[in-house]
Amino acid sequence: GNSVTQMEGPVTLSEEAFLTINCTYTATGYPSLFWYVQYPGEGLQLLLKATKADDKGSNKGFEATYRKETTSFHLEKGSVQVSDSAVYFCALLRSNDYKLSFGAGTTVTVRA
Amino acid sequence: GAGVSQSPRYKVAKRGQDVALRCDPISGHVSLFWYQQALGQGPEFLTYFQNEAQLDKSGLPSDRFFAERPEGSVSTLKIQRTQQEDSAVYLCASSFGVARTEAFFGQGTRLTVV
Repeated sequence: GNSVTQMEGPVTLSEEAFLTINCTYTATGYPSLFWYVQYPGEGLQLLLKATKADDKGSNKGFEATYRKETTSFHLEKGSVQVSDSAVYFCALLRSNDYKLSFGAGTTVTVRA
Repeated sequence: GAGVSQSPRYKVAKRGQDVALRCDPISGHVSLFWYQQALGQGPEFLTYFQNEAQLDKSGLPSDRFFAERPEGSVSTLKIQRTQQEDSAVYLCASSFGVARTEAFFGQGTRLTVV
């Protein structure tokens, strides 16, 4: 079946540090891959996505590249801010499907 | 409305009580999803509606869970005879299309069964 494995947290960083959250997946076919973010007290929001191999999704300074050879979709940001403190979820959507499969989430705390 | 709205935001239920959780999707969105998020875990799919039709209820954990969307808009997730293991955040999401379209999530309802 489909599964998503992401780096366990919590992760604590200083402002302007480099952030990477690892995500690997298991799925047949060619799924779409997503990163969702959940800020404190808010709902899940789509951060970025990639729909085919070698695509790079980017938003708010975050990037992730769909690597089919390593079945990975690692999230990176070069210089984090306190406002990036949140829980980050990696997710996949199979071809022609409608339901998302999520990883367990990684809590990121950025200190000033 | 501007986004997906869920109510109540928090619900405390005594074991054995019935609860009803409401979801107002974004106007015009065809697809509606319910997910369950246990503490420290990612959301898990419960059920899917396309307009008023419940096309997939494979994720509902037991027959105590029931969902409806009678007019293809507002949806209600009902849990009968709540148990402690039902404690979780229940997320509703909606999307304009069917497959492979962005889903917009509500803030969730945190259910605590005591």
